[in-house]
Amino acid sequence: ELKVEQNPLFLSMQEGKNYTIYCNYSTTSDRLYWYRQDPGKSLESLFVLLSNGAVKQEGRLMASLDTKARLSTLHITAAVHDLSATYFCAVEFGNEKLTFGTGTRLTIIP
Amino acid sequence: EPEVTQTPSHQVTQMGQEVILRCVPISNHLYFYWYRQILGQKVEFLVSFYNNEISEKSEIFDDQFSVERPDGSNFTLKIRSTKLEDSAMYFCASSEAGLNTEAFFGQGTRLTVV
Repeated sequence: ELKVEQNPLFLSMQEGKNYTIYCNYSTTSDRLYWYRQDPGKSLESLFVLLSNGAVKQEGRLMASLDTKARLSTLHITAAVHDLSATYFCAVEFGNEKLTFGTGTRLTIIP
Repeated sequence: EPEVTQTPSHQVTQMGQEVILRCVPISNHLYFYWYRQILGQKVEFLVSFYNNEISEKSEIFDDQFSVERPDGSNFTLKIRSTKLEDSAMYFCASSEAGLNTEAFFGQGTRLTVV
């Protein structure tokens, strides 16, 4: 069965702190995506990770992929309030559809 | 920048009624998708469509649902005899070439069945 699990489901953190969101998946994947979703809004693509060891950074967010461990991480550095949102990882398992993780609702507290 | 557009942004319908959700994919894209997100839950795949036919569908996509590309630009999702549990945000997406190409999502249609 194709499974994508994220943890934590909820994350409340103070501004200025660092934290990591984890995305585990059940079987070999072609590529992995990270999305951001604001309440009631669509999915904003953040990163596309294609190969083992891939690391991408944009501002205070950095994503990495370990295909052997079937694990991707989204690291937040020195969090600011604007980063409050729900973050989803999504995996492409050998066909064109995406299997989404459960989502991590991130709240940044001043 | 090209984008996927969906209409309406919000639709309220009575249980048992039929609804049609509309999408205009990015113009040079060949693969089209519908996903669903029940409030507070994860995004779930419904169906993918290529070359005027369904290429894959999930267990959710039963006989109540159908998709169509009625002309060269629109891609529609029809839900017959809506149920309360069909209330969700429905996202359309398109990609240039399917596997190994990124899908771009529309802003979604929030369907409320009352």
